[in-house]
Amino acid sequence: ELKVEQNPLFLSMQEGKNYTIYCNYSTTSDRLYWYRQDPGKSLESLFVLLSNGAVKQEGRLMASLDTKARLSTLHITAAVHDLSATYFCAVDPASFYQKVTFGTGTKLQVIP
Amino acid sequence: GAVVSQHPSWVICKSGTSVKIECRSLDFQATTMFWYRQFPKQSLMLMATSNEGSKATYEQGVEKDKFLINHASLTLSTLTVTSAHPEDSSFYICSAQGGQDSYNSPLHFGNGTRLTVT
Repeated sequence: ELKVEQNPLFLSMQEGKNYTIYCNYSTTSDRLYWYRQDPGKSLESLFVLLSNGAVKQEGRLMASLDTKARLSTLHITAAVHDLSATYFCAVDPASFYQKVTFGTGTKLQVIP
Repeated sequence: GAVVSQHPSWVICKSGTSVKIECRSLDFQATTMFWYRQFPKQSLMLMATSNEGSKATYEQGVEKDKFLINHASLTLSTLTVTSAHPEDSSFYICSAQGGQDSYNSPLHFGNGTRLTVT
């Protein structure tokens, strides 16, 4: 059974600071997604990482994937209040599009 | 592109009644759609995988007779919560993957349906 763990579960940080959210998973996969969820809303796609060493950046967010370590990171640079949300990673098992498994989620609170 | 529409956004119903939730891929064909359930402050839990033209595949612990899934076309999947009870109250989200560049695409999510059973 694929297990996906995120760390930390909750993060409170001041504006302007940097931080990294970690996503560890338990089985081979070269497809990983990052999503953002605002309270009461559905999920918004942030990044699609498709290979070992993949790095993608959008604004203050940068995501990377290390398939050998089974680890993805979401790095936040100079956080702003608008980034406050819950962030999920999701792992797609190798060779299938089925049964995408979501991480536990990281609730990010950026304090002005 | 790759828009998934889910309807209704929220519904309140009485115990014992049934509720149908629709999930449509508006600008692409989705041979597979997924139904998730999310409790407050928790992650998404996959309930079932819906395949066009065939029976849905349910995850362990999900009652298929209670959560009826129909995937009648390449653009529409429905989830019917039958004989709803208060413990069925939750946020239900559908997703689909497809379109021109499906390999490089993430799952696209509907806006979710908040079900409250009184």
